[in-house]
Amino acid sequence: IVMTQSPLYLPVTPGEPASISCRSSQSLLQSNGYNYLAWYLQKPGQSPQLLIHLGSHRASGVPVRFSGSGSGTDFTLKITRVEPEDVGVYYCMQALQTPLTFGGGTKVEIK
Amino acid sequence: DVQLVESGGDVIQSGGSLRLSCEASGFTFGDYWMSWVRQAPGRGLEWLANIRQGGDEQHYVDSVKGRFTISRDHVKSSLYLQMNDLRPEDTAIYYCTRTHNYGSGSQEIDSWGQGTQVTVSA
Repeated sequence: IVMTQSPLYLPVTPGEPASISCRSSQSLLQSNGYNYLAWYLQKPGQSPQLLIHLGSHRASGVPVRFSGSGSGTDFTLKITRVEPEDVGVYYCMQALQTPLTFGGGTKVEIK
Repeated sequence: DVQLVESGGDVIQSGGSLRLSCEASGFTFGDYWMSWVRQAPGRGLEWLANIRQGGDEQHYVDSVKGRFTISRDHVKSSLYLQMNDLRPEDTAIYYCTRTHNYGSGSQEIDSWGQGTQVTVSA
């Protein structure tokens, strides 16, 4: 499954919203109603951390300003109000089948 | 807290072999699938392989199939990656990850180690 993210680069202003898109080459929606799509943030110099799982469920400890939406092949990660600590590279990943595959990443930087 | 600590990364010549290790703590190691993921310099993330709780089932991405072998030791709560016939394009940071299994082949990575650097010279 090929994962495609956009944009590649996203300059943001603190306090403003931000949005990242992710598209999969086949549907990630299963008959149980769950979308097997995860979002990760890799902060500078760190390993990735899980933000969102099953398309729209925030991982433990993730701030409420992060939300995931979408279904089937089109997904979106939204940040309601960007904080300075949100900079880094965001990746989507399909969790439907092995090999697990990632999008190419979206680099978020402060303007 | 979940802790995954990788070791074994090194600089090695093309064609050589290397064994990576990952020591897990903070959770019941035997309850989880585990995976290896790598990140080449300035590049994105590539899932490499996973292994079932009992070690009796493994899956690999095509680019490493036949060269890399994933294994685990429950006594030591450790995950391993044996890498043979290394190539310059294998140069990357290698991450040990904990994998949540949803069943029917669906899995998700929920925890990552800090990674270990492997550099393969031509």
